[in-house]
Amino acid sequence: DTGVSQDPRHKITKRGQNVTFRCDPISEHNRLYWYRQTLGQGPEFLTYFQNEAQLEKSRLLSDRFSAERPKGSFSTLEIQRTEQGDSAMYLCASSVGQSEQYFGPGTRLTVT
Amino acid sequence: GESVGLHLPTLSVQEGDNSIINCAYSNSASDYFIWYKQESGKGPQFIIDIRSNMDKRQGQRVTVLLNKTVKHLSLQIAATQPGDSAVYFCAENMEYGNKLVFGAGTILRVKS
Repeated sequence: DTGVSQDPRHKITKRGQNVTFRCDPISEHNRLYWYRQTLGQGPEFLTYFQNEAQLEKSRLLSDRFSAERPKGSFSTLEIQRTEQGDSAMYLCASSVGQSEQYFGPGTRLTVT
Repeated sequence: GESVGLHLPTLSVQEGDNSIINCAYSNSASDYFIWYKQESGKGPQFIIDIRSNMDKRQGQRVTVLLNKTVKHLSLQIAATQPGDSAVYFCAENMEYGNKLVFGAGTILRVKS
């Protein structure tokens, strides 16, 4: 499968714990995006990278959230001191420049 | 604020009929629009896109229409099949290929 992959698919954590998600984009896609989706809503933009540079961050991305794409390939999204309000599906997408974004299957986070 | 929205939250159609899903957008400066299909537990799947210099684009069994005068976007699915049952999102792209702004989604239910 050469699509966008995300790991893990599901994560259950206790409030206050840190979690890290990984996204592997489609090979040679230079842009990588993170979105968050809650039940019944469309995805909301969090941040995006062009190669290894993080070019935009949403105000939704509080200081507890950090994203990296160190070598311009895979990316990680870390949430520190998780809160119940962080429970959501975290989606990763990739694209070649200004073109359609292809989404991964998402990581579903449940904070108890 | 500016947003993308949908007129109908749920659409039920008979198998074999044509489906039309509508979307309104508010940012007249948006230049790129995408329709995504999302099945339960999966990430959004790209269906078709259209740029603001076009008013119609056809794919396999799908057609997207863009009416910039009234800021309206529609997705037409011909000969709807049970496998088309999903949530459909329109998304708006501002600022040349950066973040997508999604609407809330329309549930399409296909009755056999």
